[in-house]
Amino acid sequence: GQSLEQPSEVTAVEGAIVQINCTYQTSGFYGLSWYQQHDGGAPTFLSYNALDGLEETGRFSSFLSRSDSYGYLLLQELQMKDSASYFCAAKVDNAGNMLTFGGGTRLMVKP
Amino acid sequence: KAGVTQTPRYLIKTRGQQVTLSCSPISGHRSVSWYQQTPGQGLQFLFEYFSETQRNKGNFPGRFSGRQFSNSRSEMNVSTLELGDSALYLCASSLAGTSTDTQYFGPGTRLTVL
Repeated sequence: GQSLEQPSEVTAVEGAIVQINCTYQTSGFYGLSWYQQHDGGAPTFLSYNALDGLEETGRFSSFLSRSDSYGYLLLQELQMKDSASYFCAAKVDNAGNMLTFGGGTRLMVKP
Repeated sequence: KAGVTQTPRYLIKTRGQQVTLSCSPISGHRSVSWYQQTPGQGLQFLFEYFSETQRNKGNFPGRFSGRQFSNSRSEMNVSTLELGDSALYLCASSLAGTSTDTQYFGPGTRLTVL
């Protein structure tokens, strides 16, 4: 089967740094994506790791370790607008676009 | 460039009816994927179309079907609706659906089955 595990909820204060972990168990694996979804909105793409290591995009960074079947999303200088759900998603098919999603982590940023 | 558009945005149907949802991808994108999002099951892959051909299919019953037209627009159909089909249906498009492609999601169609 395919499964991606991530914490259901994380709370942090404005200006802080938060890390959202994702462990995966999939029959095929070609990379790990992260999406942000505000309540009532569509998922928006944040980052993608095909290879081991760290990818940085502004305040967001994502890390992947294939040997540990593990990745994380790091959000720095948290802002109130970062309050949202964050999903990790594994690309499990090299020939297509099939994504298997984790259950999502609800991030609450407090003042 | 316009984003992914989905119509209708909201839909209310009764059990046993059928429904058709539409998705227009970003201009130039040839891959369209459909996902179902529910509080209980989360985001689940339904199917993917590329150049009018279904390339991948998730673990959903045959009541769920789709198609893609020559202009890359896609429709999905759900027949004999059940209460459990109530969900947000999301469409995502990407250029060619390769392993490094980014998928861009539309706003979704919220389907309520009564």
